[in-house]
Amino acid sequence: DIQMTQSPSSLSASVGDRVTITCRASQSISSYLNWYQQKPGKAPKLLIYAASSLQSGVPSRFSGSGSGTDFTLTISSLQPEDFATYYCQQTYSMSPLTFGGGTKVEIK
Amino acid sequence: EVQLVESGGGLVQPGGSLRLSCAASGFTFSSYWMSWVRQAPGKGLEWVANIKQDGSEKNYVDSVKGRFTISRDNAKNSLYLQVNSLRVEDTAVYYCAREWVRLGADYFDYWGQGTLVTVSS
Repeated sequence: DIQMTQSPSSLSASVGDRVTITCRASQSISSYLNWYQQKPGKAPKLLIYAASSLQSGVPSRFSGSGSGTDFTLTISSLQPEDFATYYCQQTYSMSPLTFGGGTKVEIK
Repeated sequence: EVQLVESGGGLVQPGGSLRLSCAASGFTFSSYWMSWVRQAPGKGLEWVANIKQDGSEKNYVDSVKGRFTISRDNAKNSLYLQVNSLRVEDTAVYYCAREWVRLGADYFDYWGQGTLVTVSS
């Protein structure tokens, strides 16, 4: 199985801050890496697919980068509605598809 | 508007069974892979299974192999997950998700609201 390791597991930040979350795969996954945002009691929402493609309707302050084993999700200027948990997901191998452990972004 | 609506969850004893359903609308259901993803209380996301457009290919996470079966009925625009031999650790919210698979990308672009399965004696 391909293991996905996110860091940090949680962070505190202020509105307007630049936030970076990293995700590392246990083997190369090319660009088969997606990012999701989840708010409490809600279903996850797709933010970034194929490592760096912004899903339609997602604000441009969200961006993704990386390929191979190391990936980054960046929020350029944190907004109040961005406080949530973020998950990376690899889809290079369907056996199985795997998510990272999540990063909770909290208000400082 | 794309909609995915899960149903069928509930309280079941260890060893019991349930059939989860996901009703899809607003898109051509037969053109998409579909997945089930679960989330135990207070925990992260875990992919459970997926199924190809025509049902000819199915994949499962190891922890559910032999106990869970994914299926679909394209005529009814519906996705199913038959969950048998349930364990306490299967307690979770189960989401269905539309899976967009193409060369260079594979992602879950729409999700349902989830259905809660609680396994307890």
